[in-house]
Amino acid sequence: EPEVTQTPSHQVTQMGQEVILRCVPISNHLYFYWYRQILGQKVEFLVSFYNNEISEKSEIFDDQFSVERPDGSNFTLKIRSTKLEDSAMYFCASTRQGSYTEAFFGQGTRLTVV
Amino acid sequence: KQEVTQIPAALSVPEGENLVLNCSFTDSAIYNLQWFRQDPGKGLTSLLLIQSSQREQTSGRLNASLDKSSGRSTLYIAASQPGDSATYLCAPPRPYSGAGSYQLTFGKGTKLSVIP
Repeated sequence: EPEVTQTPSHQVTQMGQEVILRCVPISNHLYFYWYRQILGQKVEFLVSFYNNEISEKSEIFDDQFSVERPDGSNFTLKIRSTKLEDSAMYFCASTRQGSYTEAFFGQGTRLTVV
Repeated sequence: KQEVTQIPAALSVPEGENLVLNCSFTDSAIYNLQWFRQDPGKGLTSLLLIQSSQREQTSGRLNASLDKSSGRSTLYIAASQPGDSATYLCAPPRPYSGAGSYQLTFGKGTKLSVIP
């Protein structure tokens, strides 16, 4: 069964460092997303991406964040200068279309900023 | 803005019991609603997607219903098993903004423990 794959599963980084989280969405899906979940809190939407550009972003997704689809299979989230409050589980998701269809999530990357 | 409430926050039941998890949402202009399962420290596993044109959707021992007019969805789990222990998340989309994407809004979830 097709699945969304995320790497690494766990990333520890020092405050102020740049991190790149990687995702391989399902191959025939057209829309890609990043969500995050701070420990003990709700899953929150960060950004959606379609046709090589951002479709929508939340207020959380500030200038420290960027997304990219560097090739035909990978989708990345970059945090330029990490802060302690960026520590969270980051989930990548994909959908076949922009609405009506089921969203599939990866297993997440746990980011710990120290 | 979509707000999602899930009741109860936690539930502990003996194995074999049938149970109902409740979800309410504030904006009923949705096309569908998705239920997920989350195991501790793990990702989100899609359980069911129920379209607004459907009243119910079934997958194995799971049955989800959706009542848009009242802003409610329920997830029914039949004959619960210890392996069902997890957090169950309800996620209606934010009403379509025309921007082309599909944002899910999550509740805090119901943490289910099934006791052998």
